Amino acid sequence: DGGITQSPKYLFRKEGQNVTLSCEQNLNHDAMYWYRQDPGQGLRLIYYSQIVNDFQKGDIAEGYSVSREKKESFPLTVTSAQKNPTAFYLCASRRTGTTNEKLFFGSGTQLSVL
Amino acid sequence: KNEVEQSPQNLTAQEGEFITINCSYSVGISALHWLQQHPGGGIVSLFMLSSGKKKHGRLIATINIQEKHSSLHITASHPRDSAVYICAVRYRGGNYGGSQGNLIFGKGTKLSVKP
Repeated sequence: DGGITQSPKYLFRKEGQNVTLSCEQNLNHDAMYWYRQDPGQGLRLIYYSQIVNDFQKGDIAEGYSVSREKKESFPLTVTSAQKNPTAFYLCASRRTGTTNEKLFFGSGTQLSVL
Repeated sequence: KNEVEQSPQNLTAQEGEFITINCSYSVGISALHWLQQHPGGGIVSLFMLSSGKKKHGRLIATINIQEKHSSLHITASHPRDSAVYICAVRYRGGNYGGSQGNLIFGKGTKLSVKP
């Protein structure tokens, strides 16, 4: 079955440590997205990529980095520069070609600080 | 100021009740999405609307472009409908902050259906 796989489901970060969240899709989608969800707030866009080897900052990119070396994969690194990383992180993808294709989401990663 | 407002924030219903969740937005859009987030965190896309009305099973979504308003209705609600329902809009044309053409999300409506 096609879908988006995020791992791990739970992740703990020590102070000063970089951690990487995995996102893999087998839907053959060109566009991939990373969102951050905090309690009581709407999802906020961190980074997005519309094609391999290209990505753009979203609304809250500071303290995060991404890569898009393969169409299927869009890992997110939470760097030590992100001072408040505790949140639920969601990866999504969609077909491109029209602006109104629906998004497909992964099951999310809960990141907490030790 | 949140560009996408949902109401109510929390909703408790008895099994079988008819449920309505509302979404209002402030600028022109090309599409509106209704999403469902289950307690485990995963999100499923329910509807994408640009006009009129869509129906899928017990779920009905409507949109009024002139009034900048959409509603999600659940008929004959069931405990398995308990989830957070999220409205998201794609603004029509141009930049929005650093996220050109991307979705802006409401804060969600938490629905709990009691047996």
